[in-house]
Amino acid sequence: SAVISQKPSRDICQRGTSLTIQCQVDSQVTMMFWYRQQPGQSLTLIATANQGSEATYESGFVIDKFPISRPNLTFSTLTVSNMSPEDSSIYLCSATNPGQGGYTFGSGTRLTVV
Amino acid sequence: DQQVKQNSPSLSVQEGRISILNCDYTNSMFDYFLWYKKYPAEGPTFLISISSIKDKNEDGRFTVFLNKSAKHLSLHIVPSQPGDSAVYFCAAGSAGSARQLTFGSGTQLTVLP
Repeated sequence: SAVISQKPSRDICQRGTSLTIQCQVDSQVTMMFWYRQQPGQSLTLIATANQGSEATYESGFVIDKFPISRPNLTFSTLTVSNMSPEDSSIYLCSATNPGQGGYTFGSGTRLTVV
Repeated sequence: DQQVKQNSPSLSVQEGRISILNCDYTNSMFDYFLWYKKYPAEGPTFLISISSIKDKNEDGRFTVFLNKSAKHLSLHIVPSQPGDSAVYFCAAGSAGSARQLTFGSGTQLTVLP
């Protein structure tokens, strides 16, 4: 299965700033997703990153707050914009190829907003 | 509305015994299910999956059982080892939802030596 390199692994950011998280996959993958895991909670899907077009966002998440890029089949970024302490969370990317079994996850980015 | 529920936030088991982790779902459109293991400071690691056309899938020490009528699945780990101590998430998806996954809230498994 694919291997995903996600960075940064952690960051502490000031309120009002933005952070871009990158995920690099070692092979081409059809689908990539971005998740958030808030403290003590499960993983929540933010959006599906679509190659060459705008991401598809889940209810409660908007492009202005979480712009996503996917310029090719091996790379995607998620930006957390105009951060507030409520954005403190772990952010994970995931990738899969339909018909090839399970999903692979990046190691996560632990974001703390102060 | 939690479509995937793991009602036990934690479970402790003695080494060598069986660990049984449970998961319930409400969406009848789900047609495949996965279990993930997550260590602190790491991303989830895929363990085992099952499609809705099966009721059991086995991989080494890990077996997943699916009861579609009860909308229930369980993960059995036999024998349990201290290295199995982690948070276990069940996840569900459907072919009609662009392969997005819905996750349960996780169960912290502690295997005692």
